[in-house]
Amino acid sequence: QQQVKQSPQSLIVQKGGISIINCAYENTAFDYFPWYQQFPGKGPALLIAIRPDVSEKKEGRFTISFNKSAKQFSLHIMDSQPGDSATYFCAASISPGGKLIFGQGTTLQVKP
Amino acid sequence: DSGVTQTPKHLITATGQRVTLRCSPRSGDLSVYWYQQSLDQGLQFLIQYYNGEERAKGNILERFSAQQFPDLHSELNLSSLELGDSALYFCASSVGGGGDTQYFGPGTRLTVL
Repeated sequence: QQQVKQSPQSLIVQKGGISIINCAYENTAFDYFPWYQQFPGKGPALLIAIRPDVSEKKEGRFTISFNKSAKQFSLHIMDSQPGDSATYFCAASISPGGKLIFGQGTTLQVKP
Repeated sequence: DSGVTQTPKHLITATGQRVTLRCSPRSGDLSVYWYQQSLDQGLQFLIQYYNGEERAKGNILERFSAQQFPDLHSELNLSSLELGDSALYFCASSVGGGGDTQYFGPGTRLTVL
């Protein structure tokens, strides 16, 4: 019940296309859902995060869509660029604790 | 640069040995988290300290221990190392005890031979 399931495992998108990564969870006590971006040899970096009181959050080309009833959330990367090529992790946590439960990750390759 | 520093960057050691990984949080952050990243297990939470006190524990082996010092830096001690302990170990820090953005360090790559 503490798991966060992420799909797809890998994704190839053409430059300018939309990248979509999905995550699902079981534990309804989760109330904080961040997405992290990780480049090879680096630590994960927070990209965008959402709480369940909103259904969508947009920051630049990155959008989180959140479906509380389906217990699913997704990351959309609009106008994908080669520089977006990285591994993306969804995560969830329960307030007030900070422990993050991560999905398995999605390796995104954006072809020029 | 997240502002979180970790040393060493790489560590190669033998089975049965003991190592210490060090983490300095961002200035002003009171919480330190340790995560293990491996190919088969992904990113797994190990333990959290908040202002010197243990706050939460994850799937941390009994052979592993951690502490946070008065200057807020933290150390993760791994003992009786096994081949399967080879992984990337990340430290993250946040301002408060939970629900805040966690900033990750660059990690320590541990190789056990």
